[in-house]
Amino acid sequence: GQNIDQPTEMTATEGAIVQINCTYQTSGFNGLFWYQQHAGEAPTFLSYNVLDGLEEKGRFSSFLSRSKGYSYLLLKELQMKDSASYLCAVMDSNYQLIWGAGTKLIIKP
Amino acid sequence: DAMVIQNPRYQVTQFGKPVTLSCSQTLNHNVMYWYQQKSSQAPKLLFHYYDKDFNNEADTPDNFQSRRPNTSFCFLDIRSPGLGDAAMYLCATSRDSGANVLTFGAGSRLTVL
Repeated sequence: GQNIDQPTEMTATEGAIVQINCTYQTSGFNGLFWYQQHAGEAPTFLSYNVLDGLEEKGRFSSFLSRSKGYSYLLLKELQMKDSASYLCAVMDSNYQLIWGAGTKLIIKP
Repeated sequence: DAMVIQNPRYQVTQFGKPVTLSCSQTLNHNVMYWYQQKSSQAPKLLFHYYDKDFNNEADTPDNFQSRRPNTSFCFLDIRSPGLGDAAMYLCATSRDSGANVLTFGAGSRLTVL
């Protein structure tokens, strides 16, 4: 079966750096997405990786290793508004999106 | 500025009383999706349309139906809601099939009494 694994919950301090990991086992690979979802709201797109390496976008960066079936989302200079769930999703060989259950990130002052 | 609009944002219904949720988009995207998301769970794809071509996920219960009368609108009908259908229902669009970014609406939260 197809599977996405992410930690259920993480806690970090305002101003610090946090890394949220995602490992996947899917039938083929056509890219990996990260979405941010605030409580009770819709997911919003953060990043897309299809080639190995690091993609940087402001305070957020996303890394992919296809050979290891692994990605991480790196958040720098954490702000209270970054408290949210972060969803990892992989597009398989049929272009179906396989979603993880999300990592709830709690930011403490 | 809202590009994917869902109505209502909150819906309370009684056990077995039909419900219709609506979604409209101003993006002129070809693909529209309906997801069900329960608390702390991954979004679960119920249906998607590529233009007017309807795609039903194999494990979507028969209790759920969908209509897309035109490019801009899509509806989710829940014929006889059960307590297990209480969830957030998310509509999303993408320009095309393939590795495209999804744009989500704000969601419709369904409560079943």
